[in-house]
Amino acid sequence: QVQLVESGGGVVQPGGSLRLSCTTSGLTFSNHGMHWVRQAPVKGLEWVAFITNDRSDYAYVESVQGRFTISRDNSKNTVYLQMNSLRVEDTAVYYCAKDKGKFYMDVWGKGTTVIVSS
Amino acid sequence: EIVLTQSPVTLSLSPGERATLSCRASQSASNNLAWYQQKPGQAPRLLIYDASNRATGIPARFSGSGSGTDFTLTISSLEPEDFAVYYCQQRYNWPPLFAFGPGTKVDIK
Repeated sequence: QVQLVESGGGVVQPGGSLRLSCTTSGLTFSNHGMHWVRQAPVKGLEWVAFITNDRSDYAYVESVQGRFTISRDNSKNTVYLQMNSLRVEDTAVYYCAKDKGKFYMDVWGKGTTVIVSS
Repeated sequence: EIVLTQSPVTLSLSPGERATLSCRASQSASNNLAWYQQKPGQAPRLLIYDASNRATGIPARFSGSGSGTDFTLTISSLEPEDFAVYYCQQRYNWPPLFAFGPGTKVDIK
C-alpha cells in the first residue's frame, strides 16, 4: 500500500525558514513525479511545487518562486520542500502528493501544518 | 495562466438525488482535467482524471464529462459519504503548472 508521510511543519516567525519532508513507501519512488499542495485555513487547494521523477524539471506557483525549493532523494524515497523568507500568507496545511502520470495527483499524505506568525 | 471557475459554490441536496457540478477553464486544455473530493480534516482524493476516467476504487456513481473549457462531474445518486467539497484541477505549460478550481461544496439539504 502506497503511503506518504509529511513532517517538518511548525510555528515560525515571518522571514524564517522550514524544511518539510515527505517520506514514501510502497511504491517505486524514482518512477514518479511529486507535488506539494497547500491549503490555507478555510480555503481551497493551491498547488505549490512539482518535481519530475529524475529531478530534471521543477515548477513552482508564482507566489513562492525564489523562496521555496523542491528537491528529492530517490535513495531515501523522500521529497523535500525548503521554505525560506516565510510570510504570514504561507500559513497552511502542506500536503505532498504522488503524480499518477499525466500530472494528476493520485496519492496524498495527511499533511503537515505550517504557521507563520509573530 | 489557466483560471478554473466552479459552479455552483454550494449545492444543497438530499441523499439519493443527482448532483451536477461544473468546472470552466479560461482556456482550452483538451481533456486534461481531474476532479478531487475532500472531506473535513482529510486529504483530497482523486476521483476522475482525463475528464472522464474514474480513478482506482471510485464508485460508478461518479462520472465525468466534457472537454476543451467546460467540464462536469456528476454523482448519479448521492450517498451520505458523498457530502464533501469537490475541486477540479488542470495542468498547463511546460515545465508543468497546475491550477485548482475554488471548489463546490455539496451539503445536505
